[in-house]
Amino acid sequence: AQKITQTQPGMFVQEKEAVTLDCTYDTSDQSYGLFWYKQPSSGEMIFLIYQGSYDEQNATEGRYSLNFQKARKSANLVISASQLGDSAMYFCAMRGLAPRTNAGKSTFGDGTTLTVKP
Amino acid sequence: EPEVTQTPSHQVTQMGQEVILRCVPISNHLYFYWYRQILGQKVEFLVSFYNNEISEKSEIFDDQFSVERPDGSNFTLKIRSTKLEDSAMYFCASSPGQGAYGYTFGSGTRLTVV
Repeated sequence: AQKITQTQPGMFVQEKEAVTLDCTYDTSDQSYGLFWYKQPSSGEMIFLIYQGSYDEQNATEGRYSLNFQKARKSANLVISASQLGDSAMYFCAMRGLAPRTNAGKSTFGDGTTLTVKP
Repeated sequence: EPEVTQTPSHQVTQMGQEVILRCVPISNHLYFYWYRQILGQKVEFLVSFYNNEISEKSEIFDDQFSVERPDGSNFTLKIRSTKLEDSAMYFCASSPGQGAYGYTFGSGTRLTVV
């Protein structure tokens, strides 16, 4: 079974500052992927960044980086230089990787609502 | 940029009625999914579909639910007899593979059962 925990229901950050959104996970899978998605108030879900459990380097995508600490089972999202448009709900998710037969299913956390203040 | 298209964006239905939610995944993607989200809460897995068959389903996906890919482009979710608790945002998603691929989600169908 997989479990994702996001302990911050809401976060505030000042525009142009960096913010870290926490995510811890639990899984019995040896090989897994960790994902972050953004859900603005308009409702769509947008894939942001991926980290594989065997990746030695932390993933980065533009202003997004993933602080992956495997021993602690954490995969925190860092957003640098926050912008007003970053205000949204952020979901951490994971799934087991092939050759698992259920590799397609992702488990999502409860989400963190980020508000960027001008 | 390719996108996943869902129709309708909003559907209101009477309890006990059948609904069909439609999705057009990205054309070169191989894996298709339905998730639902009740009132901005947690995103819940319903079903995954690959090679024209269900590869996994959750306990939510009972006999009232079915999926179909009738013509190689559309991917539909049918709820046979809707209940009030089926009211949610239903997201279709697709991915090119099982591994290091994030989903591309559609914009969702908000289903309201009255």
